[in-house]
Amino acid sequence: DIQMTQSPSSLSASVGDRVTITCRASQSITKYLNWYQQKPGKAANLLIFAASSLLSGVPSRFSGSGSGTDFTLTISSLQPEDFATYYCQQTYSTPWTFGQGTKVEIK
Amino acid sequence: QVQLQESGPGLVKPSETLSLTCTVSGGSISSYYWSWIRQPPEKGLEWIGYISYSGSTNYNPSLKSRVTISIDTSKNQFSLKLNSVTAADTALYYCARETTSVRGVRLLDYWGQGTLVIVSS
Repeated sequence: DIQMTQSPSSLSASVGDRVTITCRASQSITKYLNWYQQKPGKAANLLIFAASSLLSGVPSRFSGSGSGTDFTLTISSLQPEDFATYYCQQTYSTPWTFGQGTKVEIK
Repeated sequence: QVQLQESGPGLVKPSETLSLTCTVSGGSISSYYWSWIRQPPEKGLEWIGYISYSGSTNYNPSLKSRVTISIDTSKNQFSLKLNSVTAADTALYYCARETTSVRGVRLLDYWGQGTLVIVSS
């Protein structure tokens, strides 16, 4: 299985801050990386697919980058509705695997 | 707008079989893949497996010996069975639609709200 490791596991930030979350794969997954946002008690919502493509309707303050083994999700200016847990997911090979999640909390 | 809704017992006894159904509305179950994902309390997401509209399956090896996913296109439903459950199978279970993006990457674009299944006697 491909292991996905996110860092940090949690972070505290203020509204307006720039936030960066990293995701590392245990082997190259080229561009096969998706990012999801999950709020408490809710299903996950797709934000970014193929490492850097923003899903239609997702605010442009979200961006993704990377390829191979190292990927980044950036929120350019954190908004109150962005406080949530973020997961990366690889779909390079089955079993699809997720990172352990990064919880973004209010400072 | 595609919607998915999980249904099934919220409490299952140890060693018995967990059975859930996902009903898809607002779109056809054809031409896509359909996944099950679970999330134990306070933990991360685990992909269980998927089934195609034609019935081909792919399971997580960690669960493969205990999992069966099936599909009923006439009812726009797909189902999960997990046998010989233990407390470790207690989780929120989600169904989701899997599709392929224009860049050729598989992704989960629609999810159900999830259903909590507790394994306890």
